[in-house]
Formats: sequence, structure tokens, C-alpha cells
Amino acid sequence: AQKITQTQPGMFVQEKEAVTLDCTYDTSDPSYGLFWYKQPSSGEMIFLIYQGSYDQQNATEGRYSLNFQKARKSANLVISASQLGDSAMYFCAMREGSGNTPLVFGKGTRLSVIA
Amino acid sequence: DSGVTQTPKHLITATGQRVTLRCSPRSGDLSVYWYQQSLDQGLQFLIQYYNGEERAKGNILERFSAQQFPDLHSELNLSSLELGDSALYFCASSVTPRAITDTQYFGPGTRLTVL
Repeated sequence: AQKITQTQPGMFVQEKEAVTLDCTYDTSDPSYGLFWYKQPSSGEMIFLIYQGSYDQQNATEGRYSLNFQKARKSANLVISASQLGDSAMYFCAMREGSGNTPLVFGKGTRLSVIA
Repeated sequence: DSGVTQTPKHLITATGQRVTLRCSPRSGDLSVYWYQQSLDQGLQFLIQYYNGEERAKGNILERFSAQQFPDLHSELNLSSLELGDSALYFCASSVTPRAITDTQYFGPGTRLTVL
């Protein structure tokens, strides 16, 4: 069973607009962490933002924020004021439990920012 | 720049050959992870080392092996290479794998092409 689902293979957004990238997850473990990574065309994986299952507040990092809805098991990434440099693949990932559990990645969403 | 280094950046080889990929973690990170990214399989966890010891194993083929040395750098050895082994291989490192908040920082990857 897929643990991380990213239903949007590709998204377009106008420069300076906000965009939401969807991520739903599946776990029965009460303790887990959710991560978003960006992969530009150059190939490297860049960590963006983290949300823990026990965190009361939605995580924010600059123009990135995470819309965490625990009951719905969703952790959507919101990018505000999109820039051309935001064009990339975006991956949602989850880590369950505590201690030496690997990251499980979704298939990713390709975001294209249009001028 | 994540602080994780990987060499070589590109590797082209023939079927049946053996290659070694090298990774140096961020300063202070004790844990190293290896991932394989291919078009059909997405990002797959291969193996994790912590302070020289294997800690977790994922979808790693028997033809593949890894180790972490006393200076904490890690090597991933791929042998009897097949066309399907062509992929982007990432190394990631982190500080405290036991903490659910532990963030993995990725290197730039090694792109392996098997001809």
C-alpha cells in the first residue's frame, strides 16, 4: 500500500501567485514526521520544511508553509509568491515511529512557474 | 549546498561491471543513507549506516553493498551491473536518526548510466 500519495503529477502557477501541492499519507503510527523536498532540474534534493505529528502549529519556512490536517492525513505544501526558480519537482516524504526508520517518498509533483 | 558531497557526479559503464560511489556526510552527522532514484521506481531507500554500523536495509539488491568507514564517509558498491541499474544514486546524512525530527540532507547525487 502506498504510504505517500501525491495526486498531482504536474502543476502550473503564475509568477507571484500562491500554489498548493497536495500530499496525503497513510500510517497507523501516532508518531511520524512529514518532510517536503525540492528537486530542481539540476538533480539535487533540497530540504524545504518539516512537520511532526505532535506539532500543534503548521510549519512555516519563509515562503513555504505546510497545511497539516491530521484527521484527513494530509500535509499540503503551500508556496506563496511563486518565483521562476520554484519550477522543480516537489516530493513529500514521511518517516514513521522513532529510531532508524527510512524516509518513504511520494512520486512527486512537477511545478512549473509561468512568467 | 547541503554539505553532503558525492563523487563522481556522473558514471558511465558497461553491463557486468562493478562501480563504487562515494559519499562524505555533513560535518557532525553520524548517519548515512543511500537512495536510488529511477523513473519507474521513484526514490527508493537502499541502506542506512550509523557510526560505522548498518542500521536499516531497504530494497537493496544482493549485488549491491555498502559500508561506512571510521572517518564516516560511505561507499556504495554496485556489481554485475545491469541496464536497469541506471539511476540517480543519492547519499543523505543526518545527525540523530533516533529522533523523528531528524532531517536528512541530500548530496548532489551520482548519475549512473549502464550501457
